[in-house]
Amino acid sequence: KQEVTQIPAALSVPEGENLVLNCSFTDSAIYNLQWFRQDPGKGLTSLLLIQSSQREQTSGRLNASLDKSSGRSTLYIAASQPGDSATYLCAVKRGQAGTALIFGKGTTLSVSS
Amino acid sequence: GAVVSQHPSRVICKSGTSVKIECRSLDFQATTMFWYRQFPKQSLMLMATSNEGSKATYEQGVEKDKFLINHASLTLSTLTVTSAHPEDSSFYICSAGAGGMDTGELFFGEGSRLTVL
Repeated sequence: KQEVTQIPAALSVPEGENLVLNCSFTDSAIYNLQWFRQDPGKGLTSLLLIQSSQREQTSGRLNASLDKSSGRSTLYIAASQPGDSATYLCAVKRGQAGTALIFGKGTTLSVSS
Repeated sequence: GAVVSQHPSRVICKSGTSVKIECRSLDFQATTMFWYRQFPKQSLMLMATSNEGSKATYEQGVEKDKFLINHASLTLSTLTVTSAHPEDSSFYICSAGAGGMDTGELFFGEGSRLTVL
């Protein structure tokens, strides 16, 4: 059974710092991996999608990497801002069609000004 | 990107009543939709996989008679919480993948917060 672990559970940094969030998964047979952001009481905002054949994806200040063989992904946030404060969720998908995402418990990030 | 809409976003009901939550794919057809629930400060847990025109597949520990799922069309899945109790209070969120796309990306609704008094 696929298990997704995110470390750390919580992180507090001052504004401007670069930071890395970690995600690991037990079964390397994944189709893709998605990173999401969730604000308190809100739904999910998709940040980055990495296919199993890809090594990384970038969007603005965000960069996600994937090492499928070792079951790891990282989300790098450059020059953090208070508006980045949220919970970041990592999720993996086993197959293309008809398969769900399995989520980690998330990392709650707080960026102070 | 594809849009998934949920309704209602918030619902408060009395214990013992039933509540229906709708999940619609607005600009694509979805053969399969997924229902998750999220307790406070917890992650999303998959409840069931909703298949258009057939019975839903429930995850272990999820009562299928309590959480009724109907996927009658390619753009609509509904989750009915029957005889709701306070312990059913949670954030329910659905997702779907756009048919015909090979990325496997899933799109999520805005979520529905259920409070059972």
